[in-house]
Amino acid sequence: DAKTTQPPSMDCAEGRAANLPCNHSTISGNEYVYWYRQIHSQGPQYIIHGLKNNETNEMASLIITEDRKSSTLILPHATLRDTAVYYCIVRGRAGNMLTFGGGTRLMVKP
Amino acid sequence: DAGITQSPRHKVTETGTPVTLRCHQTENHRYMYWYRQDPGHGLRLIHYSYGVKDTDKGEVSDGYSVSRSKTEDFLLTLESATSSQTSVYFCAIRPGQGAYTIYFGEGSWLTVV
Repeated sequence: DAKTTQPPSMDCAEGRAANLPCNHSTISGNEYVYWYRQIHSQGPQYIIHGLKNNETNEMASLIITEDRKSSTLILPHATLRDTAVYYCIVRGRAGNMLTFGGGTRLMVKP
Repeated sequence: DAGITQSPRHKVTETGTPVTLRCHQTENHRYMYWYRQDPGHGLRLIHYSYGVKDTDKGEVSDGYSVSRSKTEDFLLTLESATSSQTSVYFCAIRPGQGAYTIYFGEGSWLTVV
């Protein structure tokens, strides 16, 4: 399985962009990068995913490097409600599961 | 809203008693999953199902069994609960083929005393 590495924690000022990095240097050509987040005591929430190209939706943007060994999740205007643990995940070996690592705890501060 | 209902949402039980958690979905999705979440371990897959009566083990399946007798329900059973099974349990579904976007329920908090 391709493993991911994320910083354990980050801070961001409210209203500023939050840029969350993820390293996945062993990713293979047909593996997707997924981002989820988990707000305290809630179920994980899907944010965005991508294969090669950059992606954007109403929640965030995903920037994947050309060699696909790393990616960045961008929350363009972070709010206090974006405080959560953010998980970067690469598709699991069997193709039927997503393996969650430790994630990055993002604290958005006023 | 992923159309997932987990029950019970909170339960306290005694060591050695059987416990069944239910995951119900309303969209007839083929794939369903059970995860547990513990401090320091993140989310770990227990079992998953890829159709009625079709199930497979995940990363931490020991002490758990599952059943899926109809598309909409995926049951997780602890035959004899232990304190190490105190956890938050999340059910998840995967709507389609190709990309592996899965959606999670709100969780079931289980305490084994």
